[in-house]
Amino acid sequence: EVQLVESGGGLVQPGGSLRLSCAASGFTVSSNYMSWVRQAPGKGLEWVSVIYSGGSTYYADSVKGRFTISRDNSKNTLYLQMNSLRAEDTAVYYCARDHGYYDNPWGQGTLVTVSS
Amino acid sequence: EIVMTQSPATLSVSPGERATLSCRASQSVSSNLAWYQQKPGQAPRLLIYGASTRATGIPARFSGSGSGTEFTLTISSLQSEDFAVYYCQQYNNWPRPFGQGTKVEIK
Repeated sequence: EVQLVESGGGLVQPGGSLRLSCAASGFTVSSNYMSWVRQAPGKGLEWVSVIYSGGSTYYADSVKGRFTISRDNSKNTLYLQMNSLRAEDTAVYYCARDHGYYDNPWGQGTLVTVSS
Repeated sequence: EIVMTQSPATLSVSPGERATLSCRASQSVSSNLAWYQQKPGQAPRLLIYGASTRATGIPARFSGSGSGTEFTLTISSLQSEDFAVYYCQQYNNWPRPFGQGTKVEIK
């Protein structure tokens, strides 16, 4: 059974850092395109970053230079390192397999709150 | 950058009735269009990709149509579990924005 479990969210001060994890089971992360998608409280969905199976990475302009997507093949886990966090980064962060569209199942999400 | 516009923002429908949701792209996205359902406190769920292909396990009452710039999601007979927010998303060009969502509520 395919499953994604995000973790690592929490409360962080502006300018701080956080690393999110997405543990996958039922498929191999490194053989898939994997994305992070976020949703600010009461708002819509926003794509954040993707890592291709070949290792190429891409970012939304809003996070470029501050966030880094990576994976650990031995742990079958996807990561999102978030630095220089801003209030506008406050959101639930989801990981998902990326086929252009975001396939089921998504993870349950992890909440990141940036506030002093 | 392509802009996705959904209408209406809110749709009030009685159980058992048909619901028709629209999504318009600011330029052609061919058939590279997906629909998602999101219930409160839950992650989104993929319903439709390729504009008209149902994802695995999605009931047949959900159907998608359209190509180019105009797309429609139809729910043929609304069930209680279908009241939710629905998002469209194009994946023809980068970035791949979502629409702002249509909330389907009980009339």
